[in-house]
Amino acid sequence: KQEVTQIPAALSVPEGENLVLNCSFTDSAIYNLQWFRQDPGKGLTSLLLIQSSQREQTSGRLNASLDKSSGRSTLYIAASQPGDSATYLCAVGKNGNQFYFGTGTSLTVIP
Amino acid sequence: EPEVTQTPSHQVTQMGQEVILRCVPISNHLYFYWYRQILGQKVEFLVSFYNNEISEKSEIFDDQFSVERPDGSNFTLKIRSTKLEDSAMYFCASSVDTYNEQFFGPGTRLTVL
Repeated sequence: KQEVTQIPAALSVPEGENLVLNCSFTDSAIYNLQWFRQDPGKGLTSLLLIQSSQREQTSGRLNASLDKSSGRSTLYIAASQPGDSATYLCAVGKNGNQFYFGTGTSLTVIP
Repeated sequence: EPEVTQTPSHQVTQMGQEVILRCVPISNHLYFYWYRQILGQKVEFLVSFYNNEISEKSEIFDDQFSVERPDGSNFTLKIRSTKLEDSAMYFCASSVDTYNEQFFGPGTRLTVL
């Protein structure tokens, strides 16, 4: 069974700093990988989707990379803002039908 | 911007009662999903649904659970006889196909007493 781990569990940074969130997975035979943010008590907001054939995807200040062979993905956030404070979840797609989620990284951006 | 909606936002029920959680997926999406998140734990896949059939289900999705698309817009999750351990946030998601993003609803918080 696919196991997804996110490190660190929590991160606190000053506003304006660039940061990297890490996601690792045990089975490299993935279909795709999606990053989400989750605000307290709320649903999941899609940030980026990377197909298994891709190496990276960019959206605004966010850049996600994928290295299937090493079982890793990173989410890079440039010039962090207080509004970026949330829990970031990595979800690894098995076959297009289901995701395996990590436990998330709780990010706090200090003004 | 189109979004997935879920009702109710919070449901409280007694153990052993049946509950139905409702979702309206994004209108042009063809694939539908239910996930749950027990407080403080990972989001877990329950079931995927396409073309009026279950595509895949997890070991959590036992005989107590069922899904249905009763009309052209709603997608429901029924729990026949709720247990205390069913207390969780239940998320509905939809996607246009299996290659694209899954979009999640705001969730229904189910509390079983």
